[in-house]
Amino acid sequence: ETGVTQSPTHLIKTRGQQVTLRCSSQSGHNTVSWYQQALGQGPQFIFQYYREEENGRGNFPPRFSGLQFPNYSSELNVNALELDDSALYLCASSLGNSGANVLTFGAGSRLTVL
Amino acid sequence: TQLLEQSPQFLSIQEGENLTVYCNSSSVFSSLQWYRQEPGEGPVLLVTVVTGGEVKKLKRLTFQFGDARKDSSLHITAAQPGDTGLYLCAGAGSNYQLIWGAGTKLIIKP
Repeated sequence: ETGVTQSPTHLIKTRGQQVTLRCSSQSGHNTVSWYQQALGQGPQFIFQYYREEENGRGNFPPRFSGLQFPNYSSELNVNALELDDSALYLCASSLGNSGANVLTFGAGSRLTVL
Repeated sequence: TQLLEQSPQFLSIQEGENLTVYCNSSSVFSSLQWYRQEPGEGPVLLVTVVTGGEVKKLKRLTFQFGDARKDSSLHITAAQPGDTGLYLCAGAGSNYQLIWGAGTKLIIKP
């Protein structure tokens, strides 16, 4: 079975630009969660998608948005980038949307905003 | 608001020493997970504890869930350089979200 893959692995943007990050979930998983992780910190929950609908959201502004597709892959979009958006963005897939479910993480997309 | 506090935030010890990392909260969790993350990678699940008082062993790693399911510890015996990484605890809260600790950065020096 394939794991979670994320793209791109690294990217550099300038303030005010928009970015789209992509995630392919592990085979058999129907739920995708997105996290923002600052250097040396724990992940901060952005939102979760279950069966193509947003199923929970953390404390992030509306310029952070997402999609889940019928094949359960997902996108994270961030508009009007700010310097503080520089972070590692992690995607995790799971089977089911319970908080007790085991998450399988991708290696992340490292975003640098200049 | 449910919070998980991890301590210490940073730990640097010599190979062969023992150590304990703590994860504490005032909230009750239905389960708690421990992850290890290496640089440039996503977190990888080490263990899930579900029952209050539960102890799980994974080779030299011992995980304990508090009786009241509000806290957990990770004890490493005879630490090795390969144990170096960021250790994260995450608790299953009252909604669909996992509540994450800020992590303990562990460095094992040869």
